[in-house]
Amino acid sequence: NAGVTQTPKFQVLKTGQSMTLQCAQDMNHEYMSWYRQDPGMGLRLIHYSVGAGITDQGEVPNGYNVSRSTTEDFPLRLLSAAPSQTSVYFCASSFTSGGAVETQYFGPGTRLLVL
Amino acid sequence: KQEVTQIPAALSVPEGENLVLNCSFTDSAIYNLQWFRQDPGKGLTSLLLIQSSQREQTSGRLNASLDKSSGRSTLYIAASQPGDSATYLCAVLQGAQKLVFGQGTRLTINP
Repeated sequence: NAGVTQTPKFQVLKTGQSMTLQCAQDMNHEYMSWYRQDPGMGLRLIHYSVGAGITDQGEVPNGYNVSRSTTEDFPLRLLSAAPSQTSVYFCASSFTSGGAVETQYFGPGTRLLVL
Repeated sequence: KQEVTQIPAALSVPEGENLVLNCSFTDSAIYNLQWFRQDPGKGLTSLLLIQSSQREQTSGRLNASLDKSSGRSTLYIAASQPGDSATYLCAVLQGAQKLVFGQGTRLTINP
């Protein structure tokens, strides 16, 4: 299994541009989520999904869109990039077992710089 | 609102020492608590997960405890090695996918 994969690894955008950060997992996990990591702020939840077709907002959703058409993929869209969205973005997946949510698996991250 | 605090923010110890990292949280209504390791420029690796009904988990030289009533968890690392140098993150799960993270403890093990 490749686990959780993210592309691209690094991206530079100009203010106002749009882009999609890709996330895929091959573990058949029902839960997927996106976090951003900023110095002094830690990791914060952007959006999450509890299954195909079901998404919800996290702590910092403004400026981002998500959709989940398949179990495997959970792309994050930046509609109009702003310098405040400069960050490292992590995708994660997990599953339930016996009613308990199990370990979260994280991807390697995407470093985004918005000029 | 859940807040997770990790103390100390940084720790430097000589190789071979046993050490304890601390994590506290303000809301005891959690599903589980996880400890992660993050190396510079890398993603997060899960070390231990403690479900809300459990008190501790062990993996090799690592032992994590959970006291929900007092809102505290500790990560004990035995016989530390230079390869243990990394940032250690504590996170509590609220809701199906809502992990709330602490700021982390940056650990340096000196040979």
